[in-house]
Amino acid sequence: DIQMTQSPSSLSAAVGDRVIITCRASQGIGNYLAWFQQRPGKAPKTLIYAASSLQSGVPSKFSGSGSGTDFTLTISSLQPEDFATYYCQQYVTYPLTFGGGTRVQVK
Amino acid sequence: EVQLLESGGGLVQPGGSLRLSCAGSGFTFGNHAMTWVRQAPGKGLEWVSTIASDASATFYADSVRGRFTVSRDNSGKTLYLQLNSLRAEDTAVYYCARSFVVDDRGYFDFWGQGALVTVST
Repeated sequence: DIQMTQSPSSLSAAVGDRVIITCRASQGIGNYLAWFQQRPGKAPKTLIYAASSLQSGVPSKFSGSGSGTDFTLTISSLQPEDFATYYCQQYVTYPLTFGGGTRVQVK
Repeated sequence: EVQLLESGGGLVQPGGSLRLSCAGSGFTFGNHAMTWVRQAPGKGLEWVSTIASDASATFYADSVRGRFTVSRDNSGKTLYLQLNSLRAEDTAVYYCARSFVVDDRGYFDFWGQGALVTVST
Protein backbone atom coordinates (compact mmCIF):
# COMPACT_ATOMS: atom_id res chain seq x y z
CA ASP A 1 0.00 0.00 0.00
CA ILE A 2 1.11 3.57 -0.67
CA GLN A 3 1.46 5.57 2.54
CA MET A 4 0.70 9.29 2.41
CA THR A 5 2.40 11.43 5.06
CA GLN A 6 1.32 15.02 5.62
CA SER A 7 3.19 17.65 7.56
CA PRO A 8 2.64 19.43 9.75
CA SER A 9 -0.30 17.66 11.42
CA SER A 10 -1.47 21.05 12.66
CA LEU A 11 -0.43 24.67 12.35
CA SER A 12 -1.48 28.05 13.68
CA ALA A 13 -1.71 30.97 11.32
CA ALA A 14 -3.19 34.45 11.10
CA VAL A 15 -5.54 35.94 8.54
CA GLY A 16 -3.45 37.03 5.56
CA ASP A 17 -0.68 34.51 6.16
CA ARG A 18 0.71 32.27 3.44
CA VAL A 19 0.38 28.63 4.41
CA ILE A 20 2.19 25.65 2.93
CA ILE A 21 1.25 22.03 3.63
CA THR A 22 3.36 19.15 2.42
CA CYS A 23 2.42 15.60 1.47
CA ARG A 24 4.86 12.78 0.80
CA ALA A 25 4.05 9.45 -0.85
CA SER A 26 5.93 6.29 0.12
CA GLN A 27 6.48 5.57 -3.58
CA GLY A 28 6.12 7.49 -6.81
CA ILE A 29 2.55 8.35 -7.80
CA GLY A 30 3.20 10.58 -10.81
CA ASN A 31 0.80 13.50 -10.46
CA TYR A 32 -2.19 11.43 -9.30
CA LEU A 33 -2.71 13.47 -6.17
CA ALA A 34 -5.74 15.41 -4.90
CA TRP A 35 -6.22 17.87 -2.05
CA PHE A 36 -9.42 18.28 -0.03
CA GLN A 37 -10.64 20.81 2.51
CA GLN A 38 -12.93 19.77 5.34
CA ARG A 39 -14.58 22.26 7.65
CA PRO A 40 -15.86 20.99 11.03
CA GLY A 41 -19.03 18.93 10.68
CA LYS A 42 -19.00 19.22 6.89
CA ALA A 43 -18.21 16.94 3.98
CA PRO A 44 -14.84 17.18 2.27
CA LYS A 45 -14.54 19.57 -0.65
CA THR A 46 -12.19 19.00 -3.56
CA LEU A 47 -9.62 21.75 -4.09
CA ILE A 48 -6.92 20.35 -6.37
CA TYR A 49 -6.56 17.32 -8.65
CA ALA A 50 -3.67 16.05 -10.77
CA ALA A 51 -1.37 17.67 -8.19
CA SER A 52 -1.77 21.19 -9.53
CA SER A 53 -5.11 21.57 -11.34
CA LEU A 54 -7.66 23.77 -9.61
CA GLN A 55 -11.11 22.22 -9.23
CA SER A 56 -13.84 24.29 -10.86
CA GLY A 57 -15.17 26.97 -8.53
CA VAL A 58 -12.20 26.90 -6.16
CA PRO A 59 -10.52 30.28 -5.62
CA SER A 60 -7.07 30.81 -7.08
CA LYS A 61 -5.56 31.47 -3.65
CA PHE A 62 -5.24 27.67 -3.50
CA SER A 63 -2.44 26.12 -5.52
CA GLY A 64 -0.76 22.74 -5.67
CA SER A 65 2.60 21.55 -6.92
CA GLY A 66 4.83 18.50 -7.05
CA SER A 67 5.12 15.15 -8.72
CA GLY A 68 6.51 11.74 -7.92
CA THR A 69 6.66 11.59 -4.14
CA ASP A 70 6.65 15.18 -2.87
CA PHE A 71 3.73 17.58 -3.09
CA THR A 72 2.63 20.88 -1.58
CA LEU A 73 -0.62 22.77 -1.10
CA THR A 74 -0.26 26.53 -0.75
CA ILE A 75 -2.89 28.97 0.48
CA SER A 76 -1.65 32.38 -0.60
CA SER A 77 -3.56 34.59 1.84
CA LEU A 78 -5.44 32.84 4.61
CA GLN A 79 -9.02 33.99 5.16
CA PRO A 80 -11.39 33.12 8.03
CA GLU A 81 -13.22 30.52 5.93
CA ASP A 82 -9.91 28.70 5.27
CA PHE A 83 -9.47 27.53 8.86
CA ALA A 84 -10.17 23.84 8.33
CA THR A 85 -8.48 20.47 7.96
CA TYR A 86 -6.75 19.61 4.69
CA TYR A 87 -6.13 16.12 3.31
CA CYS A 88 -4.06 14.81 0.43
CA GLN A 89 -4.95 11.57 -1.36
CA GLN A 90 -3.31 9.40 -4.01
CA TYR A 91 -5.49 7.90 -6.69
CA VAL A 92 -2.96 6.10 -8.85
CA THR A 93 -3.67 2.64 -7.42
CA TYR A 94 -5.83 0.69 -4.97
CA PRO A 95 -6.11 0.85 -2.07
CA LEU A 96 -6.70 4.57 -2.41
CA THR A 97 -5.01 6.27 0.53
CA PHE A 98 -5.27 9.60 2.32
CA GLY A 99 -2.79 11.57 4.34
CA GLY A 100 -3.51 11.98 8.03
CA GLY A 101 -4.68 15.57 7.63
CA THR A 102 -3.38 19.03 8.51
CA ARG A 103 -5.48 21.16 10.82
CA VAL A 104 -5.10 24.89 10.16
CA GLN A 105 -6.03 26.86 13.28
CA VAL A 106 -6.27 30.52 14.18
CA LYS A 107 -3.12 31.94 15.75
CA GLU B 1 -26.11 20.92 -10.25
CA VAL B 2 -24.43 17.70 -9.14
CA GLN B 3 -25.92 16.35 -5.94
CA LEU B 4 -25.23 13.20 -3.91
CA LEU B 5 -27.56 12.38 -1.05
CA GLU B 6 -26.79 9.56 1.37
CA SER B 7 -29.40 7.81 3.48
CA GLY B 8 -29.80 4.69 5.59
CA GLY B 9 -27.48 5.47 8.47
CA GLY B 10 -28.39 4.74 12.08
CA LEU B 11 -27.67 2.79 15.25
CA VAL B 12 -27.01 -0.92 14.91
CA GLN B 13 -25.77 -3.57 17.32
CA PRO B 14 -22.42 -5.31 16.83
CA GLY B 15 -22.82 -8.15 14.37
CA GLY B 16 -25.78 -6.43 12.74
CA SER B 17 -26.37 -5.18 9.20
CA LEU B 18 -27.28 -1.94 7.49
CA ARG B 19 -27.63 -0.72 3.91
CA LEU B 20 -26.58 2.75 2.89
CA SER B 21 -27.86 4.45 -0.25
CA CYS B 22 -26.49 7.39 -2.22
CA ALA B 23 -28.84 9.02 -4.70
CA GLY B 24 -27.21 10.96 -7.51
CA SER B 25 -28.77 13.79 -9.50
CA GLY B 26 -27.69 16.53 -11.87
CA PHE B 27 -25.37 14.28 -13.90
CA THR B 28 -25.32 11.08 -15.96
CA PHE B 29 -24.92 8.63 -13.07
CA GLY B 30 -23.93 5.65 -15.22
CA ASN B 31 -20.92 7.47 -16.66
CA HIS B 32 -19.01 7.65 -13.37
CA ALA B 33 -17.31 5.27 -10.98
CA MET B 34 -18.54 5.82 -7.44
CA THR B 35 -16.81 5.46 -4.09
CA TRP B 36 -17.55 5.18 -0.39
CA VAL B 37 -15.21 6.95 2.06
CA ARG B 38 -15.67 6.90 5.83
CA GLN B 39 -14.53 9.00 8.77
CA ALA B 40 -14.54 7.70 12.32
CA PRO B 41 -15.29 10.28 15.03
CA GLY B 42 -12.35 12.67 15.37
CA LYS B 43 -10.30 10.75 12.80
CA GLY B 44 -9.19 11.17 9.21
CA LEU B 45 -10.65 9.99 5.92
CA GLU B 46 -10.53 6.30 5.00
CA TRP B 47 -11.33 4.87 1.57
CA VAL B 48 -13.82 1.98 1.83
CA SER B 49 -14.91 0.82 -1.62
CA THR B 50 -15.17 1.79 -5.30
CA ILE B 51 -17.42 0.44 -8.04
CA ALA B 52 -16.86 0.95 -11.76
CA SER B 53 -19.38 2.94 -13.78
CA ASP B 54 -20.95 -0.23 -15.24
CA ALA B 55 -20.43 -2.30 -12.06
CA SER B 56 -17.95 -4.51 -13.92
CA ALA B 57 -15.36 -4.09 -11.18
CA THR B 58 -15.40 -3.49 -7.44
CA PHE B 59 -12.61 -2.69 -5.01
CA TYR B 60 -12.51 -2.88 -1.21
CA ALA B 61 -10.30 -1.86 1.67
CA ASP B 62 -8.87 -4.84 3.56
CA SER B 63 -10.72 -3.66 6.68
CA VAL B 64 -14.13 -4.28 5.09
CA ARG B 65 -13.54 -6.94 2.43
CA GLY B 66 -15.84 -9.91 2.97
CA ARG B 67 -18.22 -7.89 5.18
CA PHE B 68 -19.27 -4.96 2.98
CA THR B 69 -20.70 -5.12 -0.55
CA VAL B 70 -20.91 -2.19 -2.95
CA SER B 71 -23.48 -2.15 -5.75
CA ARG B 72 -25.32 0.30 -7.96
CA ASP B 73 -28.50 0.79 -9.93
CA ASN B 74 -27.74 3.06 -12.86
CA SER B 75 -31.35 3.28 -14.01
CA GLY B 76 -32.32 4.42 -10.52
CA LYS B 77 -29.18 6.59 -10.18
CA THR B 78 -28.37 5.07 -6.80
CA LEU B 79 -25.23 3.68 -5.18
CA TYR B 80 -25.45 1.21 -2.32
CA LEU B 81 -23.24 -0.14 0.44
CA GLN B 82 -24.39 -3.24 2.30
CA LEU B 83 -22.69 -3.42 5.69
CA ASN B 84 -22.72 -6.83 7.39
CA SER B 85 -21.04 -8.23 10.52
CA LEU B 86 -20.65 -4.72 11.84
CA ARG B 87 -18.08 -3.93 14.49
CA ALA B 88 -17.63 -0.99 16.84
CA GLU B 89 -14.71 0.20 14.71
CA ASP B 90 -17.07 0.61 11.74
CA THR B 91 -18.69 3.54 13.54
CA ALA B 92 -18.19 6.50 11.21
CA VAL B 93 -19.74 9.00 8.88
CA TYR B 94 -19.93 7.36 5.46
CA TYR B 95 -19.58 9.64 2.42
CA CYS B 96 -20.25 8.76 -1.19
CA ALA B 97 -18.12 10.47 -3.80
CA ARG B 98 -18.19 10.70 -7.58
CA SER B 99 -15.10 9.92 -9.61
CA PHE B 100 -14.08 12.01 -12.60
CA VAL B 101 -11.49 10.58 -14.95
CA VAL B 102 -8.51 12.66 -16.01
CA ASP B 103 -5.45 11.05 -17.60
CA ASP B 104 -6.85 7.53 -17.14
CA ARG B 105 -7.42 7.83 -13.36
CA GLY B 106 -10.45 9.00 -11.45
CA TYR B 107 -10.33 11.58 -8.68
CA PHE B 108 -13.19 12.52 -6.33
CA ASP B 109 -14.81 15.68 -7.66
CA PHE B 110 -18.10 15.74 -5.74
CA TRP B 111 -19.04 14.46 -2.28
CA GLY B 112 -22.29 13.75 -0.50
CA GLN B 113 -23.11 15.18 2.92
CA GLY B 114 -22.54 11.88 4.73
CA ALA B 115 -24.55 9.31 6.72
CA LEU B 116 -23.67 8.40 10.30
CA VAL B 117 -23.43 4.73 11.21
CA THR B 118 -23.11 3.93 14.92
CA VAL B 119 -22.32 0.37 15.99
CA SER B 120 -23.06 -0.04 19.69
CA THR B 121 -25.08 -1.99 22.20
